Amino acid sequence: DAGVIQSPRHEVTEMGQEVTLRCKPISGHNSLFWYRQTMMRGLELLIYFNNNVPIDDSGMPEDRFSAKMPNASFSTLKIQPSEPRDSAVYFCASSFRAGGQNIQYFGAGTRLSVL
Amino acid sequence: KQEVTQIPAALSVPEGENLVLNCSFTDSAIYNLQWFRQDPGKGLTSLLLIQSSQREQTSGRLNASLDKSSGRSTLYIAASQPGDSATYLCAVRPNQAGTALIFGKGTTLSVSS
Repeated sequence: DAGVIQSPRHEVTEMGQEVTLRCKPISGHNSLFWYRQTMMRGLELLIYFNNNVPIDDSGMPEDRFSAKMPNASFSTLKIQPSEPRDSAVYFCASSFRAGGQNIQYFGAGTRLSVL
Repeated sequence: KQEVTQIPAALSVPEGENLVLNCSFTDSAIYNLQWFRQDPGKGLTSLLLIQSSQREQTSGRLNASLDKSSGRSTLYIAASQPGDSATYLCAVRPNQAGTALIFGKGTTLSVSS
């Protein structure tokens, strides 16, 4: 398996523009997570899905952020409108949720710069 | 609210040294604890996972211990190598139902040759 695939790897945009980050989880995994990493706050959970259903979105900072998972093999995180303080690395992770270890596998991340 | 702290924030050692990275968490009611490695510009790679009922896990030169009652975990790296240079992150999973992880800010390790 190719692992968790995120695109784009880098995104530079201007304040006010819409940004869409994409994630393809590992085939067979039924949980998907979106995290954001900054120097100040470290890695923080934004939202996660189980079986394509959002379970906890309490980490989504504002209404400007939205996430969807239309099927088991694809998810998007959208920021509209984007602001400079949204600049961070956004990671997607997936896991197989069942009894047991439930290890999360991370993608390489999308580095977002909002000018 | 669960908080995870890692000390030190950065560590520099010469090649061959044995070293210990520390992780502490405020709420001992955890399901498991995971150690990750992050290389610059890359994602996270899981190194070791310890269930709440376990005391330690080993993988090669790495050994992770868990003392749930005191809210502490350590990652022991034996005979460090320059290739071990990376940021090491500790994360706890609060419970089985809530599968999201809560991360520490990491320890950045530099091993010089």
